[in-house]
Amino acid sequence: EAGVVQSPRYKIIEKKQPVAFWCNPISGHNTLYWYLQNLGQGPELLIRYENEEAVDDSQLPKDRFSAERLKGVDSTLKIQPAELGDSAVYLCASSYAGPNSPLHFGNGTRLTVT
Amino acid sequence: QKEVEQNSGPLSVPEGAIASLNCTYSDRVSQSFFWYRQYSGKSPELIMSIYSNGDKEDGRFTAQLNKASQYVSLLIRDSQPSDSATYLCAVTILTGGGNKLTFGTGTQLKVEL
Repeated sequence: EAGVVQSPRYKIIEKKQPVAFWCNPISGHNTLYWYLQNLGQGPELLIRYENEEAVDDSQLPKDRFSAERLKGVDSTLKIQPAELGDSAVYLCASSYAGPNSPLHFGNGTRLTVT
Repeated sequence: QKEVEQNSGPLSVPEGAIASLNCTYSDRVSQSFFWYRQYSGKSPELIMSIYSNGDKEDGRFTAQLNKASQYVSLLIRDSQPSDSATYLCAVTILTGGGNKLTFGTGTQLKVEL
């Protein structure tokens, strides 16, 4: 079984530039998550999708962050414009049936904003 | 009070010893509890899930849950140097958007030769 696939693995951009991350979840997993992880901290939820619907985006900074999950499979997370404080690891995860079922994480995208 | 609390460590144990990792949570109605292991520079990987009070064993790992005390722990028997990593406790917390899987800050474990 293929795991959660994310790209790119690393991204370095200058502040004020846009950036996008892509995620393909495990086949059959209806729930998709984007988490942000800073060094020395646990992952923090940005947004959760159930199929195509964003059911929890309360922690997503909507002035600069956006996300979409077309057709209930792949998802894209975008930041525009990026700020220095956005430097972190962005983790995509999926689960079979919501947050009460185990999450499986992708390898993450390490973003550096200079 | 943080929703999920862990001692950041580092917790150092000798090879072959039992490592005990602890986690407390704030939401009395939490239903699902997970332990993840994260090696430096890698993403979290699931070790154990537990949903009911008591112990759950899987190989060298045992998860223990006490809902009355809002406490979940992970025991690692016969600790190996390869167990050296950060262990993340994750708990479903009921929010306005439904259940949200919330992570602690992790406990760094070092298994010494």
